[in-house]
Amino acid sequence: EDQVTQSPEALRLQEGESSSLNCSYTVSGLRGLFWYRQDPGKGPEFLFTLYSAGEEKEKERLKATLTKKESFLHITAPKPEDSATYLCAVAFGNEKLTFGTGTRLTIIP
Amino acid sequence: NAGVTQTPKFQVLKTGQSMTLQCAQDMNHNSMYWYRQDPGMGLRLIYYSASEGTTDKGEVPNGYNVSRLNKREFSLRLESAAPSQTSVYFCASSEFWTGLIYEQYFGPGTRLTVT
Repeated sequence: EDQVTQSPEALRLQEGESSSLNCSYTVSGLRGLFWYRQDPGKGPEFLFTLYSAGEEKEKERLKATLTKKESFLHITAPKPEDSATYLCAVAFGNEKLTFGTGTRLTIIP
Repeated sequence: NAGVTQTPKFQVLKTGQSMTLQCAQDMNHNSMYWYRQDPGMGLRLIYYSASEGTTDKGEVPNGYNVSRLNKREFSLRLESAAPSQTSVYFCASSEFWTGLIYEQYFGPGTRLTVT
């Protein structure tokens, strides 16, 4: 069965303290991996799409990378406004996405 | 550009009542989706419509029906609500071309409580 696992479940960082979030998957034909940000009480907001191993995407303090078994979302010198839940989703064999349960990130001023 | 809009934002139903959740997108996307989000479960696909005129079941379709009214609108109906359907419901849309996977854009959600 295709599965998506995110770790850690929750992460607390001091402002400026860089770290990485992980998304691992068991794959039967990866067709795309997506990162989303979700603020409390709101819908997921699209961040990045990665299609093949070795691909990287950047946006402000966030950088997403992809290998054959996992993806990392690196956050550099985070600010309190980066606090949110970060979701990973994978497309395996068709246009449907399988979502992980997310990492709840808290940045402490 | 409003993106994906959903109505209502909040709803409380009694067991056995019915209701329809409405979704519309103004991005000219071909595909539309309905998800539910429960604590610790992640987003789970209920139904989707790859293009106007087609609908297919997702991971958790039982107790729901959908209608793709036109290219812009995709509704989700609960015929006889049950407490297990208490959840946050999200509609999403994406572009679709055979062989390619595109990112999905989500609406703000409907918070449904069934008592």
